[in-house]
Amino acid sequence: DQQVKQNSPSLSVQEGRISILNCDYTNSMFDYFLWYKKYPAEGPTFLISISSIKDKNEDGRFTVFLNKSAKHLSLHIVPSQPGDSAVYFCAASNANAGKSTFGDGTTLTVKP
Amino acid sequence: DAGVIQSPRHEVTEMGQEVTLRCKPISGHDYLFWYRQTMMRGLELLIYFNNNVPIDDSGMPEDRFSAKMPNASFSTLKIQPSEPRDSAVYFCASSLLRGQPQHFGDGTRLSIL
Repeated sequence: DQQVKQNSPSLSVQEGRISILNCDYTNSMFDYFLWYKKYPAEGPTFLISISSIKDKNEDGRFTVFLNKSAKHLSLHIVPSQPGDSAVYFCAASNANAGKSTFGDGTTLTVKP
Repeated sequence: DAGVIQSPRHEVTEMGQEVTLRCKPISGHDYLFWYRQTMMRGLELLIYFNNNVPIDDSGMPEDRFSAKMPNASFSTLKIQPSEPRDSAVYFCASSLLRGQPQHFGDGTRLSIL
């Protein structure tokens, strides 16, 4: 049973446009959500997070939205840049658990 | 600041050999995680430690896999004997506190022939 799902394996957008990456979860105990970015031959790097007490968190061009009733979160990148081309992982955790559960990732390609 | 350091970056070995992957977490981080990434299974957690103590090893595939953390600055993941299906990229990560963002190493690409 996959508790964190990223249903789109890939996404392609034009430079300057908005990129929207989606993530769904099934475990209602999750209360902290994270996005990581991964370039080839490197480890994932933390990008942005959101606590379940919020529905939005913004950091520069990156905004994460959380819809608890739908058990859905999304990452918006505006404007998208070619350097944003990478694999994006959604992850979820619980305050009482030390570990995070990761989705399978979405490969974003931003075309110049 | 030095990040999480993994060695070796690449390992190619023959089936049946023992493989040892190494990890140095970020100083002061209390949590250490071992992950495996494959095309079929994505990024899966194998085991994690808190203050050098294994907390959850439910992701370890089988008895051929073992992990240790003898001190706060070093951890190993061993596979003995190795099999071709163990070929994957293995990541180590550490975090300061429970549930907080993890800092990943650049991984070890393991190929078992």
